[in-house]
Amino acid sequence: QKEVEQNSGPLSVPEGAIASLNCTYSDRGSQSFFWYRQYSGKSPELIMFIYSNGDKEDGRFTAQLNKASQYVSLLIRDSQPSDSATYLCAVNRGGGSEKLVFGKGTKLTVNP
Amino acid sequence: DTGVSQDPRHKITKRGQNVTFRCDPISEHNRLYWYRQTLGQGPEFLTYFQNEAQLEKSRLLSDRFSAERPKGSFSTLEIQRTEQGDSAMYLCASSHRGLAKNIQYFGAGTRLSVL
Repeated sequence: QKEVEQNSGPLSVPEGAIASLNCTYSDRGSQSFFWYRQYSGKSPELIMFIYSNGDKEDGRFTAQLNKASQYVSLLIRDSQPSDSATYLCAVNRGGGSEKLVFGKGTKLTVNP
Repeated sequence: DTGVSQDPRHKITKRGQNVTFRCDPISEHNRLYWYRQTLGQGPEFLTYFQNEAQLEKSRLLSDRFSAERPKGSFSTLEIQRTEQGDSAMYLCASSHRGLAKNIQYFGAGTRLSVL
């Protein structure tokens, strides 16, 4: 089982719709969870981070964490064509380790 | 520019040559990370420094790879005797211990092509 799993997509949604991106992780002790956006040929850009169970909202983005189910998601409301990118889920297990473990990413396309 | 800076942006080299990349972290960030990303994959952790101390290394970091951060500011990543399998994007990130937990900001990366 991979440490961090994401559906590779592509996920295609119409402009204005809600895009839902999902991520599961295998290490139950994981403590910090991050979503990065990566445009083609560019480096990852931090969008959201979440540490506690529940929802965290920032503008059009909502991160949801369920540690019991080892599941973290990202919702993008009112999707725009500029949101078209690969979304990377990253997890840090803490306990003295500072590395981020990334999933492969989900490619999102928002169609005008 | 207050972001993470990496140099060069692109490097083309022949198999067997040595290459060195540089990373300048965000000012006052005391933690610096190196990752490697290949096409279609997420970044893979290579190593991490807190100030000048290298505190964590991945098994991916073979004997041909070495990283330094001599004065706790910029860092270099050297690959000796490059192989075609080393072709990848090498990403540097930095974070500040004590601020929001382990939030890492990435530089633009150095794309390595080994011919």
